[in-house]
Amino acid sequence: GDSVTQMEGPVTLSEEAFLTINCTYTATGYPSLFWYVQYPGEGLQLLLKATKADDKGSNKGFEATYRKETTSFHLEKGSVQVSDSAVYFCALRFNAGNMLTFGGGTRLMVKP
Amino acid sequence: NAGVTQTPKFRVLKTGQSMTLLCAQDMNHEYMYWYRQDPGMGLRLIHYSVGEGTTAKGEVPDGYNVSRLKKQNFLLGLESAAPSQTSVYFCASSYHGGPVGEAFFGQGTRLTVV
Repeated sequence: GDSVTQMEGPVTLSEEAFLTINCTYTATGYPSLFWYVQYPGEGLQLLLKATKADDKGSNKGFEATYRKETTSFHLEKGSVQVSDSAVYFCALRFNAGNMLTFGGGTRLMVKP
Repeated sequence: NAGVTQTPKFRVLKTGQSMTLLCAQDMNHEYMYWYRQDPGMGLRLIHYSVGEGTTAKGEVPDGYNVSRLKKQNFLLGLESAAPSQTSVYFCASSYHGGPVGEAFFGQGTRLTVV
């Protein structure tokens, strides 16, 4: 079946450091890919998405590129802030399907 | 902008008790979902609905039942709670299942079964 694998956390960085959170997927076909973010005590919010190969999703300084050849959708940010501390989830979804399949989540902690 | 609202936000149950979690959305979405979130396991789909009066099983449906009597509401029931059902439960909704559709999540219900 379809699955999403994320790097395990927690990831601890200093403010203004470069962030990469790895995400790879296994699926038959070409799903849409998403990054969701969950701030403490809140539900998940869509951070960015990409619907086809080579698309780049971006939002709030975060970027991720849909790489079909490596089945990856790594999340990057050039300079993290304390306010970016949260849990980040990579997910996939198919055109004909209705459900998001999530990775295990990666907790990011940014220290001042 | 209410979006997706879950009630209650917290609950403690004794083993064997029953309860119903309510999810309400005001975006006229067809699709609704119930997920549970456990440490290190991400979110796993319990049940989902593609429209009023329809429900289907997800990845981990055992021990739960659902109903979608009205388009805006999706109820998750636990008939006889077990400690293994201690988790954070999230409801979500989406407009359609197409590639650009995003899901909107509620703030979660933290359930503890003792």
